[in-house]
Amino acid sequence: AQSVAQPEDQVNVAEGNPLTVKCTYSVSGNPYLFWYVQYPNRGLQFLLKYITGDNLVKGSYGFEAEFNKSQTSFHLKKPSALVSDSALYFCAVRDGMDSSYKLIFGSGTRLLVRP
Amino acid sequence: DTEVTQTPKHLVMGMTNKKSLKCEQHMGHRAMYWYKQKAKKPPELMFVYSYEKLSINESVPSRFSPECPNSSLLNLHLHALQPEDSALYLCASSQESGVGDTQYFGPGTRLTVL
Repeated sequence: AQSVAQPEDQVNVAEGNPLTVKCTYSVSGNPYLFWYVQYPNRGLQFLLKYITGDNLVKGSYGFEAEFNKSQTSFHLKKPSALVSDSALYFCAVRDGMDSSYKLIFGSGTRLLVRP
Repeated sequence: DTEVTQTPKHLVMGMTNKKSLKCEQHMGHRAMYWYKQKAKKPPELMFVYSYEKLSINESVPSRFSPECPNSSLLNLHLHALQPEDSALYLCASSQESGVGDTQYFGPGTRLTVL
C-alpha cells in the first residue's frame, strides 16, 4: 500500500530564513508525489508534483521540492520564508494506476513563519 | 484557470434533515472527487466519478449519496447524518491525464450536524 509520512507536526522558522518541510514515502512501483498547502478554513492549493525526471521540482510561490530515491524522501523547500507562507502543508502520493485513483495524504505539517 | 467552486460555504443541519452540497468546475476535467476532512486531519477520499460514472466508493455510509448530473457538476446528497459527520467536505477535479494527473480542490463546505 502507498503511504507518506510527515514526521513533524509543526515547523517554526523566521522570516527570510530557508524552510524545509519533510516528507517520506513508501510505495510499490514508481512514486507519484504531490505537495498541497491549506490556509485556514480553505481548500487545498496545489504547489508541485514529482512524476519523473529532475529530482529538483519547482512549483508555485517560490517553493521547490527535492526527490531523493535512496532516502525515499520528497522534502518541500523554500530559500526565503515569508510570514504569508504560514499554513498547513500536506504531502500526498498517488494510489492507483487506473484513470480513477485517489491521493493518500500525510498527516500534515503546520508551518509557522515568525516576523 | 484552475477553479473549482463549492456551495454552500457553510451548512448547519439537523440529523433528520436532507441537504445537498454542490461542486462545479469548468476546466473540462473528466474526473471529480469528494473528500472529507476532519479538523486537524488530512483529507480522506469518499467518492470518485470518472466520465460521469461512479468509479470509486470508499465504503461510505449510504446516508451520503453522490450524483454527477454532467461532467461539470458534482453533488453530494446528505440524509440522516450523525454529529460525527461534521467536517469540511472538499470537492476536487482532474483531467485524467495519466500518471501526471493533478487534482485541483475547491474551497470546501464546512458542515455542522446538530
